[in-house]
Amino acid sequence: AQSVTQLGSHVSVSEGALVLLRCNYSSSVPPYLFWYVQYPNQGLQLLLKYTTGATLVKGINGFEAEFKKSETSFHLTKPSAHMSDAAEYFCAVSDLFSGTGFQKLVFGTGTRLLVSP
Amino acid sequence: EPEVTQTPSHQVTQMGQEVILRCVPISNHLYFYWYRQILGQKVEFLVSFYNNEISEKSEIFDDQFSVERPDGSNFTLKIRSTKLEDSAMYFCASSDKWVPNYGYTFGSGTRLTVV
Repeated sequence: AQSVTQLGSHVSVSEGALVLLRCNYSSSVPPYLFWYVQYPNQGLQLLLKYTTGATLVKGINGFEAEFKKSETSFHLTKPSAHMSDAAEYFCAVSDLFSGTGFQKLVFGTGTRLLVSP
Repeated sequence: EPEVTQTPSHQVTQMGQEVILRCVPISNHLYFYWYRQILGQKVEFLVSFYNNEISEKSEIFDDQFSVERPDGSNFTLKIRSTKLEDSAMYFCASSDKWVPNYGYTFGSGTRLTVV
């Protein structure tokens, strides 16, 4: 079964600083990887995804993530943090049920990004 | 942009009571899901639903839980006799494809508090 590890339950940055949220996965097959963001009192919004092809994936709001197979990582970055980026970020990997081919998402524990002025 | 709608946003119930959490998926979507997040823990898969039947369920989804699509638009999760440990945020999601390279659309969640 797939699993996801997010290092750091909280990450604090100053406005304008680099954002780096770490995600490592374990997968026995080529993974499909996702980052979701949850703003206060809102649902889970897809930020970006990696399926196949280019390993550097660009998402919404200036975020990007790089799939590194050798490191089994899919870290999320943004060059310059904005106050509006304060939210909870979840890394997820797609896991297929054998036999049916139906999928589910396996999530990490989430990282709360705090942005200070 | 189409969205998944969940009601209520917050529900408080007494232990042993039945609760029904409601979701309206995106209208042309065919695959529906429930996930939950206990405070401080991971978001966990509960169940997937397709063609009016459960396609997959996790070990969490025991006989206390059931899902239904009663009228072609709503998708409900029922917990028959709630326990304290059922307190969590419950997320509904839908997709129009089952292929794994497609991200779901999630609702904003229902926070269930069992007292």
